Amino acid sequence: DIQMTQSPSTLSASVGDRVTITCRASETIGTSLAWYQQKPGKAPEFLIYEASSLETGVPSRFSGSGSGTEFTLTVSSLQPEDSATYYCQQYKTYPYIFGQGTKLEIK
Amino acid sequence: QLQLQESGPGLVKPSETLSLTCTVSGGSISSSSHYWGWIRQPPGKGLEWIGSIFSSGSTYDNPSLRSRVTISVDTSKNQFSLNLSSVTAADTAVYYCARHKKQTGWYGPNWFDPWGQGTLVTVSS
Repeated sequence: DIQMTQSPSTLSASVGDRVTITCRASETIGTSLAWYQQKPGKAPEFLIYEASSLETGVPSRFSGSGSGTEFTLTVSSLQPEDSATYYCQQYKTYPYIFGQGTKLEIK
Repeated sequence: QLQLQESGPGLVKPSETLSLTCTVSGGSISSSSHYWGWIRQPPGKGLEWIGSIFSSGSTYDNPSLRSRVTISVDTSKNQFSLNLSSVTAADTAVYYCARHKKQTGWYGPNWFDPWGQGTLVTVSS
């Protein structure tokens, strides 16, 4: 199975900061990667597909990049409502594995 | 607007079978080219994919749970269901259903969107 590893596990930043979350795959997955945002007590929400394509309605301060085994999710100017846990998920091959999550906190 | 809603018992006894149903509204399971999936999240932990089903009944399931998982679909009711047998406390989690979207030209499904609100199932005697 392909394993997905996110770093850091927790990230604390201030409003207006640029933040980056990394997701690494245990083997190459091309650009078959999605990102999700989950706020406490809520279901995850889909943000990005194909590593860098923003889902309709997602704020443009979110962006994704990468291919192969290393991927990043960047928030260009952090907003209070971006406080959440972020997950990556590979869909190159079954089984469909999520990263362990990165909790993003606002200072 | 496609919406999904999980339903089922919130408390299941150890060794028994957990049964959940996901009702889809705002779209038809049978006319969709996508899969329909189950994902769970133990309290305070990350997301674990359980399995997904197509309207034809074709399934993908997580090998780590395969021996205990049955996923079925009822297109007449626009629902799909999850049965997880021989549950233990480790199966306590919020269970989500979601559309498991399949891109045109792909053999299998890809990402999950949208998700149901989730339902907490506790395994306890």
